[in-house]
Amino acid sequence: EADIYQTPRYLVIGTGKKITLECSQTMGHDKMYWYQQDPGMELHLIHYSYGVNSTEKGDLSSESTVSRIRTEHFPLTLESARPSHTSQYLCASSESGLGQPQHFGDGTRLSIL
Amino acid sequence: SQQGEEDPQALSIQEGENATMNCSYKTSINNLQWYRQNSGRGLVHLILIRSNEREKHSGRLRVTLDTSKKSSSLLITASRAADTASYFCATAIYGQNFVFGPGTRLSVLP
Repeated sequence: EADIYQTPRYLVIGTGKKITLECSQTMGHDKMYWYQQDPGMELHLIHYSYGVNSTEKGDLSSESTVSRIRTEHFPLTLESARPSHTSQYLCASSESGLGQPQHFGDGTRLSIL
Repeated sequence: SQQGEEDPQALSIQEGENATMNCSYKTSINNLQWYRQNSGRGLVHLILIRSNEREKHSGRLRVTLDTSKKSSSLLITASRAADTASYFCATAIYGQNFVFGPGTRLSVLP
């Protein structure tokens, strides 16, 4: 299995709270990604990064923000959580270059009450 | 609609049988990849096939690619209960990020 870690695995929290989902990888990959996935459904890219200080929004509009201050760390933040943010969030990384295989963490299952 | 779409959406077979799932896409690709996702886990990369390849094998997995039909198939031979998972195709497109299909949910019954 790939060395990419997400914490927490599960989070149940009330509306209006600020949340940070952590993602770290030890493979030295330049590219990192955040996907949102509802149970049994497809993945939607919400953020990606090509390296330190690089962040871009993905195909699915999201109220979350990301930062990439270190190569290995790509946290995702929700400033004010809402029930519509309830979903699974998957972090992935890959080597640079077109179409490199992505390595995924086990995800954070987020429930906003 | 989606760049990559798997078919069928769900598949249920007996242990020992072969499982075939298909993926169709719309635009030219650099490569196509298949991933597996076990319940409650992240995706795991299974196999990559480049646009100039027609067939690739990895253990019990066989992937074909037909660029003229813009389609790919994943065959799992002699399936096991442990193969129960969702399977996604992902297309690597020039100038774009990966596009994942909605997946095929495979159930292998003992």
